[in-house]
Formats: sequence, structure tokens, C-alpha cells
Amino acid sequence: AQSVTQLGSHVSVSEGALVLLRCNYSSSVPPYLFWYVQYPNQGLQLLLKYTTGATLVKGINGFEAEFKKSETSFHLTKPSAHMSDAAEYFCAVSEWYSSASKIIFGSGTRLSIRP
Amino acid sequence: EPEVTQTPSHQVTQMGQEVILRCVPISNHLYFYWYRQILGQKVEFLVSFYNNEISEKSEIFDDQFSVERPDGSNFTLKIRSTKLEDSAMYFCASSEAGTGGETQYFGPGTRLLVL
Repeated sequence: AQSVTQLGSHVSVSEGALVLLRCNYSSSVPPYLFWYVQYPNQGLQLLLKYTTGATLVKGINGFEAEFKKSETSFHLTKPSAHMSDAAEYFCAVSEWYSSASKIIFGSGTRLSIRP
Repeated sequence: EPEVTQTPSHQVTQMGQEVILRCVPISNHLYFYWYRQILGQKVEFLVSFYNNEISEKSEIFDDQFSVERPDGSNFTLKIRSTKLEDSAMYFCASSEAGTGGETQYFGPGTRLLVL
């Protein structure tokens, strides 16, 4: 079975600083990887995803993530944090059956931005 | 931009009562899902639904749970006899296709509290 591990349940950075949220996955097959964001009192919004091809994936709001097969990682980065980035971030992997897929989420990382 | 909607946003019920959580998926999507998030825990897959039948369900999705697409627009999750441990945020999602890399679009969630 596939799984996702997010290192650090809470990350705090200063406004303008680099954001790095760590994610490692476990999968016996080439994975489909996702980052979702959840703002307070809102649903889950897709930031970016990796399926095939280029290993550096760019998403919305200036975020990007790099798929590194050798490290089984899919870390999320943003060069300069903004106050509006404060939210919960979920790394996820998709498990695909013959008829449908399901998403397996990590435990989430809460990102706080210090002024 | 099309979005998944869910009603109600909050529901409080007594243990043993039946609840129905409602979702309106994105109109051209064919695959539908329910996930839940118990406070402080991971988002967990419950069930996927395609072509008017369940494609996959987790071990959480026992006989107390059922899903239905009663008409062309709604997708419902019914809990027949609620338990205290059913208290959670329930997310509906939909996707155009069921393949592993397909994006699932999530609704804002229904927060269920069982007393």
C-alpha cells in the first residue's frame, strides 16, 4: 500500500523567507503525487501535481515541488513567503484501481507566517 | 470556475440518528468521492462512486454508510445510525476521470458533530 509522510506538523517562517515543506512517499509503482492546501474554514484546493514528465512541477501562488525518485520525496517550496500563505498543506499520493482512484493524504503541515 | 458544493456546512445530531450529507459535484464529472477528517487526524478516503455504483470503499465505510446519486446533480452520503466517533469533517470530491493522475476537486466540507 502507498503512504505519505510529512515531516513537521507545524512550520513557521518569516514573511519573505523561503518556504520548504517536506514530503516523502512510499510506493511500489510510479506514483502520482499531489499537494493540496486548506485555508481556514475552506475545502482542499489543489496546489500542484506530478504525474509524468518534468520532475519540477509549478503550481498556483508561486509554489513548486520536485519529484525525486531516488529520495522518494516531493518537497514543496516557495521562494518568498506571503502572509496569505498561512494554511494547512497536505501531501498526497494517488492509488489507482482498475475502476477508480483514491487519494491517500499525509497528516498535514500547518504553515504559519511571521510578520 | 465550477466548484463542488456541499450542504449543510455544519450539522449537529444526536447519537443514533440518521444524517444525510449532500454534495453537488462539478457538472461534467463522472467520478465522485467521499472523504472524512476527524479533528486532528488525516483526511481519509471513504468511498468512490462511478456509473451509479460503488467502485471502491475503505474499511471505514461499513454498513452504516451508504451513498446515492438520487438525480443528475446530487451525490449523498447517508449515515444510518450515527455514533460519537462519526464526528468529523466530511469532504465530497469529484473528477472527470478515475485514473490515478486525475485531479479530484473537493468541496468545502460538512462538519458533523454527534452528541
